[in-house]
Amino acid sequence: GEDVEQSLFLSVREGDSSVINCTYTDSSSTYLYWYKQEPGAGLQLLTYIFSNMDMKQDQRLTVLLNKKDKHLSLRIADTQTGDSAIYFCADLMGDYKLSFGAGTTVTVRA
Amino acid sequence: GAVVSQHPSWVICKSGTSVKIECRSLDFQATTMFWYRQFPKQSLMLMATSNEGSKATYEQGVEKDKFLINHASLTLSTLTVTSAHPEDSSFYICSALGLAGDTGELFFGEGSRLTVL
Repeated sequence: GEDVEQSLFLSVREGDSSVINCTYTDSSSTYLYWYKQEPGAGLQLLTYIFSNMDMKQDQRLTVLLNKKDKHLSLRIADTQTGDSAIYFCADLMGDYKLSFGAGTTVTVRA
Repeated sequence: GAVVSQHPSWVICKSGTSVKIECRSLDFQATTMFWYRQFPKQSLMLMATSNEGSKATYEQGVEKDKFLINHASLTLSTLTVTSAHPEDSSFYICSALGLAGDTGELFFGEGSRLTVL
């Protein structure tokens, strides 16, 4: 959706860290999500962060939230070939509706 | 974890026919489900909110007579694309809202790819 913006492409070498950035406009956002979509498949929830948090870490994933700048990022440590996918950030609007960014296609090269 | 199943996962139909896509919550009850549409290499756009036992709420610009939604039970919502045309070809994804007390969690189906010839 136009309320959430992401860069469209990211190429990263295997073993390096990936950082995917997202900006949103809704200052009243409560939860922000990261989803992964592999080719021809549905969405897999990777992680989420509550708006009163600055950071959340879950194994190889680190989410950083700058609420002042309305900026969200997802860092994937030690990126693997299986991490190649499209990553969507999403903003929780009212009534559990999600507003998605356009998705960042991550390509992991050997 | 909770599972949401969509059927069919892919379907090809002739222009002018109607196609029904099912979204089932397999191990929880979902009074609310959401239908999204995804064009190639684009984001997911919310089409409508499906509420069990009541009429669906459609987002602006979505034709309710074109995309019929029925949420007849707590575990099943269906999306029927009526008189399908090639421009309706898309990837349709549903999500189901699972509630535990005051906390809700969204679970996505694996999507249904519709190709209209």
